[in-house]
Amino acid sequence: GAVVSQHPSWVICKSGTSVKIECRSLDFQATTMFWYRQFPKQSLMLMATSNEGSKATYEQGVEKDKFLINHASLTLSTLTVTSAHPEDSSFYICSAQRGTRTDTQYFGPGTRLTVL
Amino acid sequence: EDQVTQSPEALRLQEGESSSLNCSYTVSGLRGLFWYRQDPGKGPEFLFTLYSAGEEKEKERLKATLTKKESFLHITAPKPEDSATYLCAVQRGRGSQGNLIFGKGTKLSVKP
Repeated sequence: GAVVSQHPSWVICKSGTSVKIECRSLDFQATTMFWYRQFPKQSLMLMATSNEGSKATYEQGVEKDKFLINHASLTLSTLTVTSAHPEDSSFYICSAQRGTRTDTQYFGPGTRLTVL
Repeated sequence: EDQVTQSPEALRLQEGESSSLNCSYTVSGLRGLFWYRQDPGKGPEFLFTLYSAGEEKEKERLKATLTKKESFLHITAPKPEDSATYLCAVQRGRGSQGNLIFGKGTKLSVKP
């Protein structure tokens, strides 16, 4: 149980285009989903927290107009990187949490984004 | 400021050579401390959650312990397949939606 999937697993795009990444909880309903970014040899940095049906909460320094998050249902959250630039190239990982704030976060396999 | 520090950054062991990884933390109102394993190019895989000082949890060759200031991940008789980066994260209490603060991880290499 507690499986989280991400799609696509990797994507290459041209500078200036937008890219959408999907995060799904496959066998449970996720009240809260989180989006992280991880640069090479560094740890995970939280970008935003999203609750189903409400606006996402972004961490300081993360541009909400650039990283659009939609938590449309209890099993799906999407991250859209708008007008991507090479500096947005990174490993994006989502996690899903079942219920209470003390519940375990289960992570997806990650999406490698390369912007040319 | 809430902070999580893991040591060592890297650890090389021979197969069968037991050791411990350290995670020290300062956080206001600890809700839980989590250990994850991350293989290259993949998302973190959940290992343990610890909620209170004195708590211990075990899974195969791994054992996690928690005090008021730090947590240890003990690896007994490791095998090459235990090679990975081990991440420690804390979950804050009051005023938090449950988001995690991660340490930088310990990269473990186990040689046969």
